[in-house]
Amino acid sequence: KAGVTQTPRYLIKTRGQQVTLSCSPISGHRSVSWYQQTPGQGLQFLFEYFSETQRNKGNFPGRFSGRQFSNSRSEMNVSTLELGDSALYLCASSLEVGRTGGYTFGSGTRLTVV
Amino acid sequence: AQTVTQSQPEMSVQEAETVTLSCTYDTSENNYYLFWYKQPPSRQMILVIRQEAYKQQNATENRFSVNFQKAAKSFSLKISDSQLGDTAMYFCALGRGSRGGSQGNLIFGKGTKLSVKP
Repeated sequence: KAGVTQTPRYLIKTRGQQVTLSCSPISGHRSVSWYQQTPGQGLQFLFEYFSETQRNKGNFPGRFSGRQFSNSRSEMNVSTLELGDSALYLCASSLEVGRTGGYTFGSGTRLTVV
Repeated sequence: AQTVTQSQPEMSVQEAETVTLSCTYDTSENNYYLFWYKQPPSRQMILVIRQEAYKQQNATENRFSVNFQKAAKSFSLKISDSQLGDTAMYFCALGRGSRGGSQGNLIFGKGTKLSVKP
């Protein structure tokens, strides 16, 4: 079966713009988590959605937001982009929040802010 | 606060040999889960092995095994018979337990870059 699909793979944006990233989980998975990966800070948790509701949230400013649709697909949005938002954004899906089987990650979206 | 520390930024090993990656963690939770993820140049994070904190038996997945020392809060990964395809970044991660299992907010270490040399 298909894995976690993230689009686009690469994105270049200008400072001050906004961006929307998409994540399609594995079929049947209802939980989607988002992470930001940078060389300096490593992997940091952004938020998790389950059944269209945000269940957990990391320590990021309000410029970072997300949502989940009824088909479990998720989007994250970053408004008023800053140079420091350049990162690899990874999403992960799971059958449900708290599933011990672990989380399946996508290949990420590489965002570059210039 | 929960933390995960990987003290080896880089390691190398000869093909077919054994290597151990270190990870220590800190948590005040009694119910938690530990994971090792592998990230090759393709960027996709791949689950290597997981350990439930309430289980004393060390997890094993083929050539990969862990040494889970709960009192010492240590969770090392041993890779036996290393293969060229094992070359990747390896991340140790901690998940807080809930009724059904770990929650989605995993705490990751900074990673260990492993190079397997022919």
